[in-house]
Amino acid sequence: DIQMTQSPSSLSASVGDRVTITCRTSQNIRNYLSWYQQKPGKAPKLLIYVASTLQSGVPSRFSGSGSGTDFSLTIISLQPEDFATYHCQQTFTTPRTFGQGTKLEIK
Amino acid sequence: QVQLVQSGAEVKKPGASVKISCKSSGYTFTSHYLQWVRQAPRQGLEWMGRMDPGGGSTTYAQKFEGRVTMTRDLSTNTFYIELRSLRSDDTAVYFCARDRGYYTDYGDFDFWGQGTLVTVSS
Repeated sequence: DIQMTQSPSSLSASVGDRVTITCRTSQNIRNYLSWYQQKPGKAPKLLIYVASTLQSGVPSRFSGSGSGTDFSLTIISLQPEDFATYHCQQTFTTPRTFGQGTKLEIK
Repeated sequence: QVQLVQSGAEVKKPGASVKISCKSSGYTFTSHYLQWVRQAPRQGLEWMGRMDPGGGSTTYAQKFEGRVTMTRDLSTNTFYIELRSLRSDDTAVYFCARDRGYYTDYGDFDFWGQGTLVTVSS
């Protein structure tokens, strides 16, 4: 199975900050990586797919980059509603695997 | 609008089985693979498997092979997952999720059910 390692596991930031979350995979997955946002007690929400394509309706302050084994999710000008847990997921092969999550908290 | 509505919370004893439903609406039932993902308390997301609702074929994560069955009912646009021989570490929220791909499996999920909590406890 492809192992997914996200960092950091938690992050404190303020409204208006820029933050970056990284995801490293145990093998080359080309650009087959997605990012999700999850709020407590809710289902995840798809933000980005194939590494850098924004899902419909997702604000443009979210962006993704990377290929191969190293990927990142960047949020510029954090808004109050962005404080949540973020998950990366590889879609290169089955079983689909996820990172352990990064919890973004208000400083 | 696309909706996936799951059945309610379950409490089961170790060794029992659980069957969760996921009723879809707002799109053509057979046009999108349906995936199941679970999340143990304070843990990450874990993919369990997928179903092609058109032909009924399934792919299960090896971890669950032999213990899980995914089915669908074309007459009610409902998906099901059954997990057998439950253990305490199966305690989790189980989500159904629609694959983003149109008649194909892209592997990422654009619509999700609300989740079903399954608690396994003696």
